[in-house]
Amino acid sequence: ILNVEQSPQSLHVQEGDSTNFTCSFPSSNFYALHWYRWETAKSPEALFVMTLNGDEKKKGRISATLNTKEGYSYLYIKGSQPEDSATYLCAPRTSGGYQKVTFGTGTKLQVIP
Amino acid sequence: KAGVTQTPRYLIKTRGQQVTLSCSPISGHRSVSWYQQTPGQGLQFLFEYFSETQRNKGNFPGRFSGRQFSNSRSEMNVSTLELGDSALYLCASSPPTGKQETQYFGPGTRLLVL
Repeated sequence: ILNVEQSPQSLHVQEGDSTNFTCSFPSSNFYALHWYRWETAKSPEALFVMTLNGDEKKKGRISATLNTKEGYSYLYIKGSQPEDSATYLCAPRTSGGYQKVTFGTGTKLQVIP
Repeated sequence: KAGVTQTPRYLIKTRGQQVTLSCSPISGHRSVSWYQQTPGQGLQFLFEYFSETQRNKGNFPGRFSGRQFSNSRSEMNVSTLELGDSALYLCASSPPTGKQETQYFGPGTRLLVL
């Protein structure tokens, strides 16, 4: 089982603030990293899949970076809006056969209007 | 394309009973995974099925079992329910495009054990 850590556990920001949070994972046998957004009363929804060291993905005001050598990924939200309120989950994948998916416990973001 | 569907959406059972949850994946997806989420916990992996075979299993007791049918629909069964089994159960399907498959989640079944 992978040791996946996300920090902070929760975060309150004012509307318009920019914020970021971290996903840490073992760097050995890295294959891919997924970010998901989980809004209350909805299903988790895929944001990004990242595979290469130095990868950077962007979707609107949300972007993510990846460092596979040190085993972390950052998710950034620029100019947070109330609709960004959600739990953000990361799930790394390792190489070497089909591994069970391990999700981090998530970062719960609350954007205050 | 229709999304992942799960039935039932809500369920109330009593301790000692058993329950079966159903998941229909997105058309063309052959991998179905099941997760449990309890308050304060992240998504805990239960098992994954691919082409009717269990490909991976999480650290859950044998009371939790599953299966997948030839049309990729999957069922999860929990026998001898305990209060601690109260949780949101999510299933997710993935396209057969390799190991970096994105998971597409259903709406979940919320199980309450009294």
